[in-house]
Amino acid sequence: AQSVAQPEDQVNVAEGNPLTVKCTYSVSGNPYLFWYVQYPNRGLQFLLKYITGDNLVKGSYGFEAEFNKSQTSFHLKKPSALVSDSALYFCAVRDGRDTGFQKLVFGTGTRLLVSP
Amino acid sequence: EPEVTQTPSHQVTQMGQEVILRCVPISNHLYFYWYRQILGQKVEFLVSFYNNEISEKSEIFDDQFSVERPDGSNFTLKIRSTKLEDSAMYFCASSEEGNPSYEQYFGPGTRLTVT
Repeated sequence: AQSVAQPEDQVNVAEGNPLTVKCTYSVSGNPYLFWYVQYPNRGLQFLLKYITGDNLVKGSYGFEAEFNKSQTSFHLKKPSALVSDSALYFCAVRDGRDTGFQKLVFGTGTRLLVSP
Repeated sequence: EPEVTQTPSHQVTQMGQEVILRCVPISNHLYFYWYRQILGQKVEFLVSFYNNEISEKSEIFDDQFSVERPDGSNFTLKIRSTKLEDSAMYFCASSEEGNPSYEQYFGPGTRLTVT
């Protein structure tokens, strides 16, 4: 069965500094990996995904994520954090084996707090 | 930009009552999903729906739950007899294809409070 771990409940970073939000995964087939962001009282917004190809994927709002197969990780990064990046970030995985495996399996979420 | 919409934003109901949560997926999307998030916990998959049939469901999605696409635009989740533990945020999502490489787009959610 698929699973996702986000080891940090909260990440604190100062505005202008680089940020990393960690995610590790477990899946039987090829992993399809996603990052979503949730702002207060809003739904989940898609940020980026890794399907295949280049291990560094770029997404919305200047975010990027690095896929590392040997470490089964998909950490979210941004070179320079903004206060407006403060939100709840979810990593999710799908099993790429079959179109029948459609559900997204989410991690517990990491709250990012960017201070001015 | 097209988006998934959900109504109502907040629903309060008494234990044992039936509730229907409504969603309008993105118009050219073919796959529809319901997830829930109990306060402070992770987002959990409930069910996926394609071609007027359930294609996958979780163990949470028991006989108390049902889904329907009553017309060409709406997608509904019905809880037949609500329990206190059904209190959660319910998210509808849709995707263009069922292929796992396609991202799912989520609505803003309906907060269900069962008293």
